[in-house]
Amino acid sequence: EAGVTQSPTHLIKTRGQQATLRCSPISGHTSVYWYQQALGLGLQFLLWYDEGEERNRGNFPPRFSGRQFPNYSSELNVNALELEDSALYLCASSWGGLAGGLSPDTQYFGPGTRLTVL
Amino acid sequence: AQSVSQHNHHVILSEAASLELGCNYSYGGTVNLFWYVQYPGQHLQLLLKYFSGDPLVKGIKGFEAEFIKSKFSFNLRKPSVQWSDTAEYFCAVRGGFKTIFGAGTRLFVKA
Repeated sequence: EAGVTQSPTHLIKTRGQQATLRCSPISGHTSVYWYQQALGLGLQFLLWYDEGEERNRGNFPPRFSGRQFPNYSSELNVNALELEDSALYLCASSWGGLAGGLSPDTQYFGPGTRLTVL
Repeated sequence: AQSVSQHNHHVILSEAASLELGCNYSYGGTVNLFWYVQYPGQHLQLLLKYFSGDPLVKGIKGFEAEFIKSKFSFNLRKPSVQWSDTAEYFCAVRGGFKTIFGAGTRLFVKA
């Protein structure tokens, strides 16, 4: 079974530009999560999508946005890039379960996209 | 507000030493608990999880964790570490529909 995939592996941008990161979940998973892993700060929750809807959002400014497509893949967009946005961006997927009123299951992580802002 | 605290940021052990990594959380309701591991150059992998039942949970690679509800803790243990256990370990707590990760503990095992 294929795991969570992310592209690109590395992304280099300059300050003020926009970055687009992509994620494909494990087949059958409907939930996609995005995290920022900056050096020494652990994982910071960014966004959660399930069934095409944004379900929850972390404490990040609105220039961090995303969407989930009908095939459950997801895109994270970061506008007006700042130097401190340099980090590893991780995507995770899980079986959503929201339709049944259940809490989402275990999250499985992709390898990440390393974003460097110069 | 929901939070997770990992007490040790860096741990250095010799091979065959015993390991215990602390994890405490704050959340008023029912929780699901996880430990993830990130080996150098690899992505996050699930070590073990607790949803309900026996509070002593066994995971992969000889790891185990014990959920102590009264102490809001979910400490990770391994009786005898190996050099290959060198990695960063993350505790995570899901309460309701939100999962919060701890800051991580970097473990270095000396051969």
